[in-house]
Amino acid sequence: GQNIDQPTEMTATEGAIVQINCTYQTSGFNGLFWYQQHAGEAPTFLSYNVLDGLEEKGRFSSFLSRSKGYSYLLLKELQMKDSASYLCAALDSNYQLIWGAGTKLIIKP
Amino acid sequence: DTAVSQTPKYLVTQMGNDKSIKCEQNLGHDTMYWYKQDSKKFLKIMFSYNNKELIINETVPNRFSPKSPDKAHLNLHINSLELGDSAVYFCASSQGTSELYNEQFFGPGTRLTVL
Repeated sequence: GQNIDQPTEMTATEGAIVQINCTYQTSGFNGLFWYQQHAGEAPTFLSYNVLDGLEEKGRFSSFLSRSKGYSYLLLKELQMKDSASYLCAALDSNYQLIWGAGTKLIIKP
Repeated sequence: DTAVSQTPKYLVTQMGNDKSIKCEQNLGHDTMYWYKQDSKKFLKIMFSYNNKELIINETVPNRFSPKSPDKAHLNLHINSLELGDSAVYFCASSQGTSELYNEQFFGPGTRLTVL
């Protein structure tokens, strides 16, 4: 079956760095997405990785290892507004997005 | 300018009723989706339409029927509502379905409460 695993909840301190991990098992693979979802709001796109390696975009970076079925989202210089759920989603061979349940990130002052 | 819009934002109704949720996108995208997000926060794909054709239809009850009058609209009609239908329903769109064009843009969501 197809499966996405990510931690349910993480806590970090304002100004610090946090890494949210995601492992995936899909029928074929055409890339991995990270979305951010604030409480009561719609998910918004953060990143897309299809090749191995690290993609940096401001304070956020996303890493992919296709051979390990593994990705992480790295958030630097955490701000209170980064408190949200972070959803990992893998694109399978049929170009269907398989979603994880999300990681709720709590930022403390 | 709202890219993906949904109406209504909140919907409270009795069991057994029939209701519709409307979705419109002004991005010129070819593919639209309906998702259900339950209290456990799982985002579950329900339907996907590409150029007005249904391309995936997950195992949802046939009480749920998507209707797409044109590629900018994908409405969701629900018959005989049940308590378990209470959730947030998100509409989304993407330029296409290939890896290059699968970034999805989400509507604000419709919170459905069935009493």
